[in-house]
Amino acid sequence: AQRVTQPEKLLSVFKGAPVELKCNYSYSGSPELFWYVQYSRQRLQLLLRHISRESIKGFTADLNKGETSFHLKKPFAQEEDSAMYYCALRQGTYKYIFGTGTRLKVLA
Amino acid sequence: GAGVSQSPRYKVTKRGQDVALRCDPISGHVSLYWYRQALGQGPEFLTYFNYEAQQDKSGLPNDRFSAERPEGSISTLTIQRTEQRDSAMYRCASSLAGSGDYEQYFGPGTRLTVT
Repeated sequence: AQRVTQPEKLLSVFKGAPVELKCNYSYSGSPELFWYVQYSRQRLQLLLRHISRESIKGFTADLNKGETSFHLKKPFAQEEDSAMYYCALRQGTYKYIFGTGTRLKVLA
Repeated sequence: GAGVSQSPRYKVTKRGQDVALRCDPISGHVSLYWYRQALGQGPEFLTYFNYEAQQDKSGLPNDRFSAERPEGSISTLTIQRTEQRDSAMYRCASSLAGSGDYEQYFGPGTRLTVT
């Protein structure tokens, strides 16, 4: 079955420290993977998608098909990065499967 | 421009009552999605519309749940005979098209509490 796993419910780091939010997936086809973010009192929004290979707000994520992972990384965390992060896999053209999310807290 | 809107933002209802949740997508967006998010979980796919056609309703948990989008714009998710387990955040999203190249834009969600 298609599944997205985010093993950490909460990740706390100090400002300026590196961040890695883990995401593993199981999918029988060629996956398309995404990271979504929800800041406090804001809507869920797309952060980045693997296919565009871009860096948004200093975050990057590399698809590792061998390890079936799509971890989100940022070299130096900022306080404004504190949010809820969801990894998602798209099955076909419209069906998204989300992980349970990781709350990132960046401490001053 | 205006984003996706949902109403009501909060709904408290008694067990056994019917509720209707509304989603107003971004103007011109062809695709519309409904998700349910229980506490501590990620969004869970419920159903997908392309224009007015409900192309996938595989995520609707049972026949108490239904959705429509009669004119290809506003959508309504209806839950009949609500149960406490229906309590959750219900999220709507829209995208310009469903080809996969277009970003989903989410609404603020409707928090449903069934007492």
